[in-house]
Amino acid sequence: DIQMTQSPSTLSASVGDRVTITCRASQSIVSWLAWYQQKPGKAPKLLIYKASTLETGVPSRFSGGGSGTEFTLTISSLQPDDFATYYCQQYNSLLWTFGQGTKVEIK
Amino acid sequence: EVQVVESGGAFVQPGGSLRLSCAASGFTVSTKYMNWVRQAPGKGLEWVSVIYTGGSTKYADSVKGRFTISRDNSKNTIYLQMNSLRTDDTAVYYCTTKDLLLAPFDNWGQGTQVTVSS
Repeated sequence: DIQMTQSPSTLSASVGDRVTITCRASQSIVSWLAWYQQKPGKAPKLLIYKASTLETGVPSRFSGGGSGTEFTLTISSLQPDDFATYYCQQYNSLLWTFGQGTKVEIK
Repeated sequence: EVQVVESGGAFVQPGGSLRLSCAASGFTVSTKYMNWVRQAPGKGLEWVSVIYTGGSTKYADSVKGRFTISRDNSKNTIYLQMNSLRTDDTAVYYCTTKDLLLAPFDNWGQGTQVTVSS
C-alpha cells in the first residue's frame, strides 16, 4: 500500500496567516492527489484534486501543488471558516489511502 | 442534486453483524464507483470498500473476508454487510462516490455511527 504522511500534525495560526501543509507519498503517485477539509461532526469536503485543480465553489485562497511524492496545500490568507482538519489522499493505486490529517487551530 | 444518505448504524456486540445502506439520489449508483470510508473516534479516514461500475468489488485488508459491499440498482442503493464485527470496527461510516478510478471522492454522505462494544 502507498503510505501518505502529512506534516505538521497540528498547526497553530492566526486569521490572515499564510499556511502550508505538506503531504508525502511513499512512492510516486504522479499527480493523483486530493485534499479534503473536515470540520467536527461533518463529512469531509473535497477541496483540490489532481494535486492542483480547485473543486468548483472552493475559494481561491486555497491552492495545491507538487507531483511525484511531495505535495502541498496552501491557504494564502487564513479565514475563520478555515479552522478545520485537512487530509490528503492518493488515488494512484487501487487501494486508496489518506494521510493522518493536519489540524489547523486558532493561535 | 447528487446526494447519498447512509443509514443502519447501531450499537452491536463483538462478533455481531450489521448492514449499512447508502441511498442515492440525483444519479444512478451503477454509473459511479461507490465506496465506504470510515473514521474511528478521534482518528483519520480509512477507505473500506468499493463496488465498481461493472459490479466488481474490492476491500481494505482490515475488513476482507468479513465485510461485503453490494448494490441494488432497482433501489438505487448500496449496502455494506458487516459480519464478525470487532471493537476496532467502531467508527462513523461514510458513503462516497467516485466518477472514475483516477478521481477523488467527490460526494459524501453525512455518515452513520457503528459502535461495537460488549
